Amino acid sequence: EVQLVESGGGLVKPGGSLRLSCAASGFTFSSYAMNWVRQAPGKGLEWVSFISSGSSYIYHADSMKGRFTISRDNAKNSLYLQMNSLRADDTAIYYCVREEVGSFDYWGQGTQVTVSS
Amino acid sequence: EIVMTQSPATLSVSPGERATLSCRASQSVSSNLAWYQQKPGQAPRLVIFGASTRATGIPGRFSGSGSGTEFTLTISSLQSEDFAVYYCHQYNNWPRTFGQGTKVEIK
Repeated sequence: EVQLVESGGGLVKPGGSLRLSCAASGFTFSSYAMNWVRQAPGKGLEWVSFISSGSSYIYHADSMKGRFTISRDNAKNSLYLQMNSLRADDTAIYYCVREEVGSFDYWGQGTQVTVSS
Repeated sequence: EIVMTQSPATLSVSPGERATLSCRASQSVSSNLAWYQQKPGQAPRLVIFGASTRATGIPGRFSGSGSGTEFTLTISSLQSEDFAVYYCHQYNNWPRTFGQGTKVEIK
């Protein structure tokens, strides 16, 4: 069974940093591209970042460029999102998502990030 | 950036009736279009990929159609478990973008 379990969310002050983690199991993690997608309270889905299976290709949404960094450790079956210079509008649930030929076929349950003073 | 526009924002449907949801892309995304279902307090679930292919475990009452800029998700006979928010998503171009969602509610 595919499982994606996020951790690392919490309450942080504006300008602060957080590192999200996603532990993957039930599939060959090193064979799949991965993404982070977020959802602000009461809002829709927003794609955040992509990383290819071997980390050769990385893309971030424009509003996150220079502040967020996606990475992965295939030996540890783990995906990460380093978030710096956090702002109030970064408050959201952050989902770890597996990609299969472009579509997002498995989602974690999400981790809540709240940016507030 | 490709803008995805879904209509209507809310669809009120009686159980057993057909629901038709629309998604329009601001430029062609070929058939690189997916639909997701999200229920309150849950993560989204993949329903359709490649514009018309049902994901694993999705019942046959769900169907997708379209290509280019116009797409449709049809639920042929709504069941109680189908009431949810549905999002379309294009993965033809960077950045990946989602529609704003259509809420399917009980009439």
